[in-house]
Amino acid sequence: QVQLVQSGAEVKKPGASVKVSCTASGYIFTSNAIHWVRQAPGQRLEWMGWIYGGNGNTKYSQKFQGRVSITRDTSASTAHMELSRLRSEDTAVYFCARGDGYLQHWGQGTLVTVSS
Amino acid sequence: SYELTQPPSVSVSPGQTASINCSGDKLGDKSACWYQQKPGQSPVLVIYQDNKRPSGIPERFSGSNSGNTATLAISGTQAIDEADYYCQAWDSSTAYVFGTGTKVTVL
Repeated sequence: QVQLVQSGAEVKKPGASVKVSCTASGYIFTSNAIHWVRQAPGQRLEWMGWIYGGNGNTKYSQKFQGRVSITRDTSASTAHMELSRLRSEDTAVYFCARGDGYLQHWGQGTLVTVSS
Repeated sequence: SYELTQPPSVSVSPGQTASINCSGDKLGDKSACWYQQKPGQSPVLVIYQDNKRPSGIPERFSGSNSGNTATLAISGTQAIDEADYYCQAWDSSTAYVFGTGTKVTVL
């Protein structure tokens, strides 16, 4: 079955960067996009961007443009999301998800805490 | 930027039908889907492409999308349906957008 397994929780200081990983199994990694979605405490889901597993094309939400970078390693069936210049408002659970048009499979989420 | 608006909360009695609206400009021209999220868990897709149910999702979940409104209906609501629900739309110009979310309470 399809599984997306994310890296563990992170604690970062303001101004630093964080890189979260998402390893996929159970399907052909290059046939779908991997998305990143975040959810601040008590807040709504927020789409950040996606990367197509096949050709590596990316698209980012305007809100995060210039601060987020999504990459992939096809040999490891893994996608990475790096968010830079962190601030306290970036404290959230970050999810990866697989899909095109809709997100059918989700990772377990990674808590990123930004605190001085 | 494109926005999707949902009511903050919906209350329903067990066995009754809960309806959740999602409003956005010309939403009916886009593809809409719905997610269920329980506390501390990852979202689960319950409706995609306006009205299709993924494998394993009960038949009591249904969807529609027309004009400026997409609707998720839960018929014969059960206690296990108590959760937050989010709509989401996609097209090539707006990319992916989530709604504001609706908390469904089964009284």
